[in-house]
Amino acid sequence: DAGITQSPRYKITETGRQVTLMCHQTWSHSYMFWYRQDLGHGLRLIYYSAAADITDKGEVPDGYVVSRSKTENFPLTLESATRSQTSVYFCASSDRAADTEAFFGQGTRLTVV
Amino acid sequence: LAKTTQPISMDSYEGQEVNITCSHNNIATNDYITWYQQFPSQGPRFIIQGYKTKVTNEVASLFIPADRKSSTLSLPRVSLSDTAVYYCLVGDNYNQGGKLIFGQGTELSVKP
Repeated sequence: DAGITQSPRYKITETGRQVTLMCHQTWSHSYMFWYRQDLGHGLRLIYYSAAADITDKGEVPDGYVVSRSKTENFPLTLESATRSQTSVYFCASSDRAADTEAFFGQGTRLTVV
Repeated sequence: LAKTTQPISMDSYEGQEVNITCSHNNIATNDYITWYQQFPSQGPRFIIQGYKTKVTNEVASLFIPADRKSSTLSLPRVSLSDTAVYYCLVGDNYNQGGKLIFGQGTELSVKP
């Protein structure tokens, strides 16, 4: 199916564990983004990518690692999860960035205990 | 980056027209203005985008004055299903390097 999908939808992990959130898009969009949204707050940009093998930091990159070896995939890794990383994570993609429409995934709800 | 300022919340009633204004005083020449809508537990969804004057689609209208220092999203005849958070974004591909930065958004509550 065409679109952007995130997996898993829900994840509970323990403090200190490594966890990877997956994001896959089928449009071959150049740009991909990772955001986190804490309860009652707006979206904060973690990392973004303008193309395969090109990534850059957003507003809140500390504690996160990304890679983009293929255009369609943009995994986000929490190297050592902390309780403060409990959040809903959204992935998005767009053909360009600010002057075109971005498409968002359904989100991954991550709880760090 | 152009900073945006929106009201934190707004209330309306079904059938009314709702206008949400976004202030972006330091908008750059190449910047576009884009609005997204977000329902609880869902990712944001694109509503409308413009550069200057007025843009209209099947969902909303976007009014941009000549100086482009603000913009107004207009939702005609809102219904309960329009209750959501609305975000105004300002930016372009080049000066920002492709970043999409969201502000706090406006929480719209539509009542019967």
